[in-house]
Amino acid sequence: DTGVSQDPRHKITKRGQNVTFRCDPISEHNRLYWYRQTLGQGPEFLTYFQNEAQLEKSRLLSDRFSAERPKGSFSTLEIQRTEQGDSAMYLCASKVSGGLQQSGANVLTFGAGSRLTVL
Amino acid sequence: DQQVKQNSPSLSVQEGRISILNCDYTNSMFDYFLWYKKYPAEGPTFLISISSIKDKNEDGRFTVFLNKSAKHLSLHIVPSQPGDSAVYFCAARGAGGGADGLTFGKGTHLIIQP
Repeated sequence: DTGVSQDPRHKITKRGQNVTFRCDPISEHNRLYWYRQTLGQGPEFLTYFQNEAQLEKSRLLSDRFSAERPKGSFSTLEIQRTEQGDSAMYLCASKVSGGLQQSGANVLTFGAGSRLTVL
Repeated sequence: DQQVKQNSPSLSVQEGRISILNCDYTNSMFDYFLWYKKYPAEGPTFLISISSIKDKNEDGRFTVFLNKSAKHLSLHIVPSQPGDSAVYFCAARGAGGGADGLTFGKGTHLIIQP
């Protein structure tokens, strides 16, 4: 499999529950990104990792959110005490660090996303 | 404040005609611009990009034009085909969102009419 895999594809939970999403990036990609997409909006940056190091977090990432990439391969995004406002598509993307090329290579490759519905 | 703006939520074009999708940006620090295409229940897939030092990039039926002075770019699809029906996101790199991360517009839903 050469793509970015995300699991589960869809999660329905009750308000106050914890949820965890997993992302398996393309194996040779050392950078991994999490984005959130709500209805009618484009993807919004949440956080990114270079190997196992989490290098930046968006102000959208509240204290209830935590992301890890323990061995520099797969990553998890956990949301604690979910709220209805957390309902969104959570997208994972990966790439090799370095600049874009005119050919378009080395761009972010996205997974299909994990859709969260909080009731 | 939105740094990347796609002001047309939807666009309907007849098959075989040209589709023109527009995008405006506010941050002159962006160094690359990209277009992504998204089908329902799938993640965005990369379509075409352009460096801020260029004014045109072409790949088959897709051409992206950049007007830096106007902070405006557009994606032309010629000829439009039914499989082009999707949501198109304009994205820009270089002003936050993580190293090499992207700032996206809200998207334009392109509908190709037979």
